[in-house]
Amino acid sequence: EVQLVESGGGLVQPGGSLRLSCAASGFTFSSYSMNWVRQAPGKGLEWVSYISSSSSTIYYADSVKGRFTISRDNAKNSLYLQMNSLRDEDTAVYYCARGQNTVTTDFDYWGQGTLVTVSS
Amino acid sequence: DIQMTQSPSTLSASVGDRVTITCRASQSISSWLAWYQQKPGKAPKLLIYKASSLESGVPSRFSGSGSGTEFTLTISSLQPDDFATYYCQQYNSSWTFGQGTKVEIK
Repeated sequence: EVQLVESGGGLVQPGGSLRLSCAASGFTFSSYSMNWVRQAPGKGLEWVSYISSSSSTIYYADSVKGRFTISRDNAKNSLYLQMNSLRDEDTAVYYCARGQNTVTTDFDYWGQGTLVTVSS
Repeated sequence: DIQMTQSPSTLSASVGDRVTITCRASQSISSWLAWYQQKPGKAPKLLIYKASSLESGVPSRFSGSGSGTEFTLTISSLQPDDFATYYCQQYNSSWTFGQGTKVEIK
């Protein structure tokens, strides 16, 4: 059974940093691209970042470019999102989501999400 | 950037109704469109990919159609478990979601 479990969310002050993790199991992690998608309270879904299976291709939404860094460790079946210079508008539930090994991919499995709250 | 516009934003329907949700792209995305269902407090669930392909395990009352810039998600006979919010997503160029359509009990 495919499982994605996010962790690392919490309360952080504006300008602060946080590192999210996503632990994957039930599939060959190194064969799939991965993504972070967020959802602000009461709002819709916003794609945040993409990383290919080998980490050779990475994309970011304009809203987080230069502040967030996506990475993965295929040996540990883990995906990460380093978030720096956090702003109030980054407050959201952050989901990791699996894609296929191509850029034109939907997201077929999602984690349960981890809440990030940016507030003073 | 490609913008995705869903209509309606909210839909009131009864069990057994046929329901249609529309998604329009600001430019052609071929058939690179997915539909997701999300219930409160839960992660989105993939229903349809490549505009009309049914994800494994998804009931056959869900169907998708369209290509280019106009797409539809149809639920042929609404069931109690289907009251949720539905999102379209384009993945032709980066990834963009529609604003969502909430299907409510009439």
